[in-house]
Amino acid sequence: DAGITQSPRYKITETGRQVTLMCHQTWSHSYMFWYRQDLGHGLRLIYYSAAADITDKGEVPDGYVVSRSKTENFPLTLESATRSQTSVYFCASSRGDYSNQPQHFGDGTRLSIL
Amino acid sequence: AQSVAQPEDQVNVAEGNPLTVKCTYSVSGNPYLFWYVQYPNRGLQFLLKYITGDNLVKGSYGFEAEFNKSQTSFHLKKPSALVSDSALYFCAVRDKVTGGNNRLAFGKGNQVVVIP
Repeated sequence: DAGITQSPRYKITETGRQVTLMCHQTWSHSYMFWYRQDLGHGLRLIYYSAAADITDKGEVPDGYVVSRSKTENFPLTLESATRSQTSVYFCASSRGDYSNQPQHFGDGTRLSIL
Repeated sequence: AQSVAQPEDQVNVAEGNPLTVKCTYSVSGNPYLFWYVQYPNRGLQFLLKYITGDNLVKGSYGFEAEFNKSQTSFHLKKPSALVSDSALYFCAVRDKVTGGNNRLAFGKGNQVVVIP
């Protein structure tokens, strides 16, 4: 039972570079989410997706792009990385049939932008 | 809008003592409430949820939580803390009325330190 996997686990890049964080889930969950976790801010929602080809903005979407061509994949792209985007990024998924279902999280990508 | 407050940044407790992590919430309708735990370098793990019915909810690893509608609280409890319970704990809420998009509002988290 692979669950939800994120890659890479660690990434160092430079300002202005494009970087893509990958997220893959094996449950066929309809909902997927991207969060960033920063000290003092808890978890903040960047983007989410209700199904393939349906995405929507969360609290902090600026500077990020998402796509979802297949149910199981939900990549997050930083088009031109900035130092303020240094963070730990978490992907999550949940069933879509009932809104009382918990979200299930990957182990995160620790991204450092120099 | 839905929101969660976790008033204490850190909770220190001696091993074997009762552990309580506090959470209050704000929603326009009735809530779905969740607790998650995060260990170092790991993602959040689901512990338990309140949907409806019995106000006392039991979850994983001996944890339970009590829903109190009049106080809009959902405190996490464990009768006897273990050193291995040291972790970051998050409370989360979803409004049943606007819950169709499955979004959760998370608190900022409480660091629990269990002292041997």
